[in-house]
Amino acid sequence: EVQLVESGGGLAQPGGSLRLSCAASGFTFSSYSMNWVRQAPGKGLEWVSYISSSGGNIHYADSVKGRFTISRDNAKNSLYLQMNSLRAEDTAVYFCARVPVISNGFDNWGQGTLVTVSS
Amino acid sequence: IQLTQSPSSLSASVGDRVTITCRASQGISSSLAWYQQKPGKAPKLLIYAASTLQSGVPSRFSGSGSGTEFTLTISSLQPEDFATYFCQQLNSYPPWTFGQGTKVEIK
Repeated sequence: EVQLVESGGGLAQPGGSLRLSCAASGFTFSSYSMNWVRQAPGKGLEWVSYISSSGGNIHYADSVKGRFTISRDNAKNSLYLQMNSLRAEDTAVYFCARVPVISNGFDNWGQGTLVTVSS
Repeated sequence: IQLTQSPSSLSASVGDRVTITCRASQGISSSLAWYQQKPGKAPKLLIYAASTLQSGVPSRFSGSGSGTEFTLTISSLQPEDFATYFCQQLNSYPPWTFGQGTKVEIK
């Protein structure tokens, strides 16, 4: 069974940092591209970042470019999101999501981890 | 690419046929996915490539369309289908944009 489990969320001050993790199991993690998607309270879904299976191809949403860094450790079956210079508008539930083939959608999602940015 | 869903919300009864529309600001071929999200849960992939049902999804869900206009249809609404539905374009990226969502509520 495919499982994605996020961790690392919590309360951060504006300008602060957090590092999110996504632990993968039940599939060959190194064969899949991965994404981070977030959802502000009561709002819709916003794609945040993408990383290819090898880590060689990375993309960011304009709203987080220069502040967030996506990475992965295929030996540890883990995906990460380093979040720096946090703003109130970064407050959201952050989901990791698997991509088997880009054109086929995000087929498995974690349960999400809540990030709250507030003083 | 902007995606606009309509309606933003709807009320329907069990057994009703429900249709949700997603319009793209420019053509995206058939590169569209639909997701279902229940409160406090992660989104679940229902349909990809506009009309291909994801494995395990009930056949009462169907998708159609290409270019700029797409529809998600639930042929006979079941109690477990009350949720919010999102479309997502997968043609031109980054970014992978989502529609704003359609909330399906019990009438």
